[in-house]
Amino acid sequence: AQTVTQSQPEMSVQEAETVTLSCTYDTSESDYYLFWYKQPPSRQMILVIRQEAYKQQNATENRFSVNFQKAAKSFSLKISDSQLGDAAMYFCAYTQGGSEKLVFGKGMKLTVNP
Amino acid sequence: DSGVTQTPKHLITATGQRVTLRCSPRSGDLSVYWYQQSLDQGLQFLIQYYNGEERAKGNILERFSAQQFPDLHSELNLSSLELGDSALYFCASSSSPTGIGKLFFGSGTQLSVL
Repeated sequence: AQTVTQSQPEMSVQEAETVTLSCTYDTSESDYYLFWYKQPPSRQMILVIRQEAYKQQNATENRFSVNFQKAAKSFSLKISDSQLGDAAMYFCAYTQGGSEKLVFGKGMKLTVNP
Repeated sequence: DSGVTQTPKHLITATGQRVTLRCSPRSGDLSVYWYQQSLDQGLQFLIQYYNGEERAKGNILERFSAQQFPDLHSELNLSSLELGDSALYFCASSSSPTGIGKLFFGSGTQLSVL
């Protein structure tokens, strides 16, 4: 079964600094997709970034970028110029191509200090 | 605002009772997903409907059932409630029948079973 592991339960970063959130996954599939979701105190899950496994280029979305290491099965999220609004729970997620369900990691709480 | 509406936001009930959670997907989205978020299990996929038909089942208990109506709104029915059913229940919608597309999550229904 596919699993997603987020080994760091909590991290903190100073405003305007850069922080990297780690995620590893386990799969034997070649066709899959990886995601980072953000859950602020409002509870709503918000998609931050998406990566297709077949793409070698790392996905970027404004201040958010990923480091996708397919061989190592690693998918880390880098947040640049951290803002107070980035404080939230962050979840790494995986789905196999053609599958209907997302498999989520346990999440990591990010605190941004002013 | 994701465009996905969940009601009620909070629900407090007693063990043995039955409740119904309601979800209205984003306009035009045919897929509706239900996820359960609890402290011990994390985020788990329960079930998915696509255009009125059940498409995939995850870790959904037999005491739970769902349906999607012709107007595409969905309901999750939880019966014979137990203390362990206390959790945040999310609905998400997507235009895609599979999980590779972008999921838009509602704000969730917080269920407390006393």
